[in-house]
Amino acid sequence: GAVVSQHPSRVICKSGTSVKIECRSLDFQATTMFWYRQFPKQSLMLMATSNEGSKATYEQGVEKDKFLINHASLTLSTLTVTSAHPEDSSFYICSVRGPFFGQGTRLTVV
Amino acid sequence: AQSVTQPDIHITVSEGASLELRCNYSYGATPYLFWYVQSPGQGLQLLLKYFSGDTLVQGIKGFEAEFKRSQSSFNLRKPSVHWSDAAEYFCAVGGVNYGGSQGNLIFGKGTKLSVKP
Repeated sequence: GAVVSQHPSRVICKSGTSVKIECRSLDFQATTMFWYRQFPKQSLMLMATSNEGSKATYEQGVEKDKFLINHASLTLSTLTVTSAHPEDSSFYICSVRGPFFGQGTRLTVV
Repeated sequence: AQSVTQPDIHITVSEGASLELRCNYSYGATPYLFWYVQSPGQGLQLLLKYFSGDTLVQGIKGFEAEFKRSQSSFNLRKPSVHWSDAAEYFCAVGGVNYGGSQGNLIFGKGTKLSVKP
């Protein structure tokens, strides 16, 4: 299956700062990537669809100004959590066609 | 609305015993069905998937799943569980209305599997 690399695996940031999470498709060109969020002991919920060279498509209820997505190349999509707050603490995970998932990023906002 | 139900939140089985994890889905068209496994703090590993054809699907790590359209089910099975199988298991559905195999999936809430020695 596809190899998806996500970085960082864990990050702790202060409230009010921004955090960038990278999702790389290592062995094929991904025109589309997906970003999910997983709350503790919960399932995964799709946040947005990242489209190479165009704007991301956000799911209902997801703040596009808080969760900035950039898909600048066929192998890289980034999710930036802006002005992070403790309620943004969660497990964020990306996927590519397959679908295959990255290792996930545990974000803790203190 | 499309949905996935995993009725069992937590299952405990003895090592060497057989396992069946239940999954029911609601989807208006032919579904693409998936089972993933997640260890604590880790990403998701694809165990198996069903798109079409033979309704009994073989996956990795000795897992298999059977698609039963009449029951809207896609239960995961393993004949003999190993201690290393302890993890969270997620069933998911996708389909042509959700980008096919692109990756836009609806997940169940997961079933936590514990294995007794």
